[in-house]
Amino acid sequence: EAGVAQSPRYKIIEKRQSVAFWCNPISGHATLYWYQQILGQGPKLLIQFQNNGVVDDSQLPKDRFSAERLKGVDSTLKIQPAKLEDSAVYLCASSGEVGRTEAFFGQGTRLTVV
Amino acid sequence: QKEVEQNSGPLSVPEGAIASLNCTYSDRVSQSFFWYRQYSGKSPELIMSIYSNGDKEDGRFTAQLNKASQYVSLLIRDSQPSDSATYLCAVIPKAAGNKLTFGGGTRVLVKP
Repeated sequence: EAGVAQSPRYKIIEKRQSVAFWCNPISGHATLYWYQQILGQGPKLLIQFQNNGVVDDSQLPKDRFSAERLKGVDSTLKIQPAKLEDSAVYLCASSGEVGRTEAFFGQGTRLTVV
Repeated sequence: QKEVEQNSGPLSVPEGAIASLNCTYSDRVSQSFFWYRQYSGKSPELIMSIYSNGDKEDGRFTAQLNKASQYVSLLIRDSQPSDSATYLCAVIPKAAGNKLTFGGGTRVLVKP
């Protein structure tokens, strides 16, 4: 079974530029999460989708971050404009096998804003 | 109060010893509890899930859940240097929504 796919693996941009991350969840998983993980900290939930609807985006900085999950499968997370403090690893996870809530992570995208 | 709290460590244990990690959570109606292992530069990997009070064993790992006291723990028996990693506790605070919330992680160092 294929795991969660994310791209790109690494990205370096200048502040005020824009960037987009892509995630393809495990086939059949209805729930998709985007997390931000700053070095030395636990993952912080940015947004959670159930199929193509948003369940929770309370910690998403909506003035610069946006996310969508069209057709309830792939998802894109965008930052525009980026700030230095956005430097982090962006993790995508999915869950949702019937009767189970375990979530599985992709490899993540390491973003450096300079 | 943070939703999920862990001691950041590092927890240093000699090879072959038992490593004991603790996690407390704030939402009394939490339903699902998970332990993830994260090696440096890698993404979190699920190692244990537990849903009811008591112990759950899987190989050298044992998860313990006490909902009345709102804590969940992880024991690693016969610790190996390859167990050196950060261990993340994660909780789904409510039955609805499956919002998966993480603690800050405990760094474990197993010394040969």
